[in-house]
Amino acid sequence: EAGVTQFPSHSVIEKGQTVTLRCDPISGHDNLYWYRRVMGKEIKFLLHFVKESKQDESGMPNNRFLAERTGGTYSTLKVQPAELEDSGVYFCASSQDIPGTYFIYEQYFGPGTRLTVT
Amino acid sequence: GDSVTQMEGPVTLSEEAFLTINCTYTATGYPSLFWYVQYPGEGLQLLLKATKADDKGSNKGFEATYRKETTSFHLEKGSVQVSDSAVYFCALIIRNFGNEKLTFGTGTRLTIIP
Repeated sequence: EAGVTQFPSHSVIEKGQTVTLRCDPISGHDNLYWYRRVMGKEIKFLLHFVKESKQDESGMPNNRFLAERTGGTYSTLKVQPAELEDSGVYFCASSQDIPGTYFIYEQYFGPGTRLTVT
Repeated sequence: GDSVTQMEGPVTLSEEAFLTINCTYTATGYPSLFWYVQYPGEGLQLLLKATKADDKGSNKGFEATYRKETTSFHLEKGSVQVSDSAVYFCALIIRNFGNEKLTFGTGTRLTIIP
């Protein structure tokens, strides 16, 4: 079974440009998460999809970030326009979590996309 | 808010040494606790977890015990190998229906020298 995949693995863009990151979750996983690690700091939550709906987007830093998950399969995270402080590693994760239960399902992470804004 | 504090790295040890990476947390509710590991060039992998007080998570020779009284979840291994070189992240989840975000520490880079 394929794991979570992310594309590209590395992106270098100039300040003011637009970048779109893609995440393909594990097949059948309804939950998809985006996280970010900036400058060797802690990994921070950005948002959580359940199927195609945004369950929690409390971690999105500002309106330059737009996440979509059309059809409840893959997801994209667009940064427009990019700023220097957006540099970091963007992780995607998915899980098969069943809402309404107390069991916490493992979140499976992709390898991340390293974004460098110059 | 919820937070995780783990020991600053980097940590460098000789092969077969004893490893401890400290992790403490603050949480508004009753968290489940995790250790994730990121090997070079790979994504985060769940190493072990514990969901209630006094539970011990273990995997690949690593162990961590959920200590509610000290709000800690320290990672230990009795004899490290070169292949354990990686970045280790302590994390928690507060189960709140529909809110499943992981809260991570800053990560500890571990290097094992032969």
